[in-house]
Amino acid sequence: DGGITQSPKYLFRKEGQNVTLSCEQNLNHDAMYWYRQDPGQGLRLIYYSQIVNDFQKGDIAEGYSVSREKKESFPLTVTSAQKNPTAFYLCASFGWGDYGYTFGSGTRLTVV
Amino acid sequence: GDSVTQMEGPVTLSEEAFLTINCTYTATGYPSLFWYVQYPGEGLQLLLKATKADDKGSNKGFEATYRKETTSFHLEKGSVQVSDSAVYFCALSDPRQGGSEKLVFGKGTKLTVNP
Repeated sequence: DGGITQSPKYLFRKEGQNVTLSCEQNLNHDAMYWYRQDPGQGLRLIYYSQIVNDFQKGDIAEGYSVSREKKESFPLTVTSAQKNPTAFYLCASFGWGDYGYTFGSGTRLTVV
Repeated sequence: GDSVTQMEGPVTLSEEAFLTINCTYTATGYPSLFWYVQYPGEGLQLLLKATKADDKGSNKGFEATYRKETTSFHLEKGSVQVSDSAVYFCALSDPRQGGSEKLVFGKGTKLTVNP
């Protein structure tokens, strides 16, 4: 079945460390997105990519970085510059064929 | 910029009660509108969508109608079940916003249905 796989499901990071969250899709979707979810805040866009080797900042890109070397993969790095990284991170993709967004099951990052 | 405002929760109902979750939007173009549902510890699942004015999206007993005149997309269900307990997000995407197809979300409404 087609879908989006995010890993790991839970991630613990020490302060000052960079961590990378994985997002892989086999839907052949061109566009991919990273959202951050905090209680009572809804979802906020971090970065998005419409094609391979290209990506744009979203509303809260500071302290994060991404790459898009393959159509299927859109990893997110949470750097030590991100002041409050504890959150639930969701990856999504969009395909014009079914005009639909598909979300992964999320990664919960906790800074310890 | 585009924005979505949905009623704040939490909402607590008894089984078989009628549900309404209000959602209004602001957009410069002609957005598509969505309702997503999130069960505890999981990602978002598309519940229903509408892509133009007066369209009605429906799924699993839930309905929402795209009302351009009131810029609204309220979610309704005639008889809720315990299994409907989740967080519900209203969202829009506006293809004219640079062609990015970004989703803009409301803050979510937590629904709890008691037996």
